[in-house]
Amino acid sequence: GENVEQHPSTLSVQEGDSAVIKCTYSDSASNYFPWYKQELGKRPQLIIDIRSNVGEKKDQRIAVTLNKTAKHFSLHITETQPEDSAVYFCAASINTSGSGGSYIPTFGRGTSLIVHP
Amino acid sequence: SAVISQKPSRDICQRGTSLTIQCQVDSQVTMMFWYRQQPGQSLTLIATANQGSEATYESGFVIDKFPISRPNLTFSTLTVSNMSPEDSSIYLCSVPGTGGAEQYFGPGTRLTVT
Repeated sequence: GENVEQHPSTLSVQEGDSAVIKCTYSDSASNYFPWYKQELGKRPQLIIDIRSNVGEKKDQRIAVTLNKTAKHFSLHITETQPEDSAVYFCAASINTSGSGGSYIPTFGRGTSLIVHP
Repeated sequence: SAVISQKPSRDICQRGTSLTIQCQVDSQVTMMFWYRQQPGQSLTLIATANQGSEATYESGFVIDKFPISRPNLTFSTLTVSNMSPEDSSIYLCSVPGTGGAEQYFGPGTRLTVT
């Protein structure tokens, strides 16, 4: 099955700095890569995603890059703010026909991002 | 995105008992997913629930321990049976978004087994 490695496990930055979280995956059939943000005591929320036919995607201060050849993808947050502090999960998903066409994600272990004011 | 609710939001249960968690969605969805998130850990898929068919369980999870019902397209239940302290976790349901790939999570049920 799919295996997703995520690094670092903890990332501490000063407000205004950039933060980068990296993930690798093992199954070349994975074709959808979402990122989730989970604040303390809250549910995971989708913040950005990328499909395998795209190399980069941006949404304001957040960007995701994908290198299919190397099987790795990264989350970039610029101009970090204290409210960016949370645990971030990457995932790699395969569209499995056996599950009615749904994408079944495998999650990384998470990165705890701490943004110091 | 769909509005998802779960009941209960938290519970403290005795070892050996069972707890049924409910997940309600405000729109009809074909697939519903159940996850476990142990303290400080990642999200682990327990099973995928289709309406009108048996749930599909991931490796390490069995129907006798985690029976699932899916009586209609907006509702599902997960039962944690014969609980032990190792079952203490947050249990989350999720549904696919309109694009089919992204997932939206319920608020979770925080279970503590003593």
